[in-house]
Amino acid sequence: ETGVTQTPRHLVMGMTNKKSLKCEQHLGHNAMYWYKQSAKKPLELMFVYSLEERVENNSVPSRFSPECPNSSHLFLHLHTLQPEDSALYLCASSQALDLLGAGQPQHFGDGTRLSIL
Amino acid sequence: GESVGLHLPTLSVQEGDNSIINCAYSNSASDYFIWYKQESGKGPQFIIDIRSNMDKRQGQRVTVLLNKTVKHLSLQIAATQPGDSAVYFCAENINGQNFVFGPGTRLSVLP
Repeated sequence: ETGVTQTPRHLVMGMTNKKSLKCEQHLGHNAMYWYKQSAKKPLELMFVYSLEERVENNSVPSRFSPECPNSSHLFLHLHTLQPEDSALYLCASSQALDLLGAGQPQHFGDGTRLSIL
Repeated sequence: GESVGLHLPTLSVQEGDNSIINCAYSNSASDYFIWYKQESGKGPQFIIDIRSNMDKRQGQRVTVLLNKTVKHLSLQIAATQPGDSAVYFCAENINGQNFVFGPGTRLSVLP
């Protein structure tokens, strides 16, 4: 069983809807990430939160709004999405950088399959 | 015409044989690398990692080799099993918590 849980697993929404994706990690990590995985591109990093502060926003459109209320939970709020936003949205968690600034392995959930009508 | 999807390289191996999956990374300053396995309907699963101060690291049935001179990473799977069929991604740590993922290779294990 994965230590990173994402809900819902599938979501179909119209372009004018507002919905939220939820991610919860049970691994004691203090960094969390949102990725987009589409059929046409490799895995793309969207947002990074470390110690509940956003440290990365990879030029993501404002119709995607992340929220990290604590180190165990991460949300992605969706508003006025476009058909090209249909993809698998993956959440991951890790320890923040170690004392040497070295990266740490990321552990992924099983994603939310989002379809925009 | 428009591409339907990302065309993944495919590696087909006979059950019991060894598999070698290759990855070229982009940034010579990358100092940490991870291999992930992704099965259909699931998220990427961590397999093994390696830091740039090492050339080789072994796990259970898997070995990762790093050649910094040519910016090349490989994953070797010994005695490939049907359960190894999946898409395999390499990821390089560009800076801090920012990883860049390769397009992936689809491994098919033939009975």
